[in-house]
Amino acid sequence: DTEVTQTPKHLVMGMTNKKSLKCEQHMGHRAMYWYKQKAKKPPELMFVYSYEKLSINESVPSRFSPECPNSSLLNLHLHALQPEDSALYLCASSQGASSGLAKNIQYFGAGTRLSVL
Amino acid sequence: SQQGEEDPQALSIQEGENATMNCSYKTSINNLQWYRQNSGRGLVHLILIRSNEREKHSGRLRVTLDTSKKSSSLLITASRAADTASYFCARSTTSGTYKYIFGTGTRLKVLA
Repeated sequence: DTEVTQTPKHLVMGMTNKKSLKCEQHMGHRAMYWYKQKAKKPPELMFVYSYEKLSINESVPSRFSPECPNSSLLNLHLHALQPEDSALYLCASSQGASSGLAKNIQYFGAGTRLSVL
Repeated sequence: SQQGEEDPQALSIQEGENATMNCSYKTSINNLQWYRQNSGRGLVHLILIRSNEREKHSGRLRVTLDTSKKSSSLLITASRAADTASYFCARSTTSGTYKYIFGTGTRLKVLA
C-alpha cells in the first residue's frame, strides 16, 4: 500500500470557522509533510514531522496548527484563515528511517482544495 | 528566492515527440528528484538522481545532472497524451534535513 489519504477532498470555510485537514498513511513512514500549493505554482513546504516531532516549521502563521497524534496520522488545524489562504493543501510522507536515499522519496496524497470565503 | 527555476514554463508537443525540460538551482544539492502532477492532484515521484551521478534512466525517462552548472534536465521520449501534466524538480540540500525545494515547474501538453 503506497497510498496517502487526505480528507476532505474539498473544504469551504468562513474566516471565523475552525476546521481540520486530515492525512493518513500506513506505509510505516516516519516523516510526514504539509505543503501549500497555489494555482500554477510549485508546492511550498509548511511543516515537517519526523518521528512524530515537529522538525521544520517554515515560518507558517499561527492560524495553521499542525498535529501528529501518531506515526500514521497528520492533522492540520485551521482557524481564522484569510481568503489568501485558499489553496491546495498537500500531505506527503517518506520513509525517513532507513539509510540511503530511498528515505527521501515522498509519497503525496491527492490534496484538500480549500476555499476561504 | 530559493526556488529552482524550470524552463520552459510551458511546452506543447505532438504525441510521439520528445519533451525536454530543464531545472536550474543556486546552491549545492544532496540529491535531486523529479515529480509529475496531473491537474490539481497530488505529485508522483518519477526519478531520483544523486549529486555524484550524471545520468539515470527509468523507462521513457532520462534525467541528467550537471552539478558544475547547477542544472538538471528531464527527457521524456516518445511522449503520449497521458504524459500531459506539470513536472517539477525538487532538490534536497546538503544539510541532511527533510526540506525539499521545488522548482517552478513545466506544464507539458501532449497533443494526440
